[in-house]
Amino acid sequence: AQSVTQLDSHVSVSEGTPVLLRCNYSSSYSPSLFWYVQHPNKGLQLLLKYTSAATLVKGINGFEAEFKKSETSFHLTKPSAHMSDAAEYFCVVSPFYNQGGKLIFGQGTELSVKP
Amino acid sequence: ETGVTQSPTHLIKTRGQQVTLRCSSQSGHNTVSWYQQALGQGPQFIFQYYREEENGRGNFPPRFSGLQFPNYSSELNVNALELDDSALYLCASSLGADEKLFFGSGTQLSVL
Repeated sequence: AQSVTQLDSHVSVSEGTPVLLRCNYSSSYSPSLFWYVQHPNKGLQLLLKYTSAATLVKGINGFEAEFKKSETSFHLTKPSAHMSDAAEYFCVVSPFYNQGGKLIFGQGTELSVKP
Repeated sequence: ETGVTQSPTHLIKTRGQQVTLRCSSQSGHNTVSWYQQALGQGPQFIFQYYREEENGRGNFPPRFSGLQFPNYSSELNVNALELDDSALYLCASSLGADEKLFFGSGTQLSVL
């Protein structure tokens, strides 16, 4: 069965410092992986998506993620945190090939950004 | 902001009652997926509708049911509400099997 595990429930960084949100996945085939962000009282927004075209995926707002098959990881990074990055982040796997919409979400990582 | 709208934004019900949540999909999208997000958890897939037919279901009991209308808007119905049904219910629309989903802001359901 496919699943994702987010290794940190809460991450706190200072503004201007790097962000690292960790995610490991479990899948019996090459999966589609995503990162979504959820700001308070707002819907989920897609940050980026991996579908095997390239191992380093660039997303919106300066975020990127690297797919490492040997480590079954898909960590999310950003070189310099901004106050507006404070939100809940979800690592997501699509368990059914070519059947979008039926996603499996991780438990989430809350990112706090200190001034 | 996405073009997906959900109503109502908040709802309070008592145990045993029934509830209907509504979702209008983004223009041009023919697939609607529903998710339940309990407090402090990631969203869980409830079911998906594609062109008015159920197209996959997660691990939820039959008292969770849905509809999709010809204009691709959708309803989620929950019968015999339980306290554990208290959660944020999210609707997402997409085009066909596209994995890129556009989420609404959700309906916060409280069951007392």
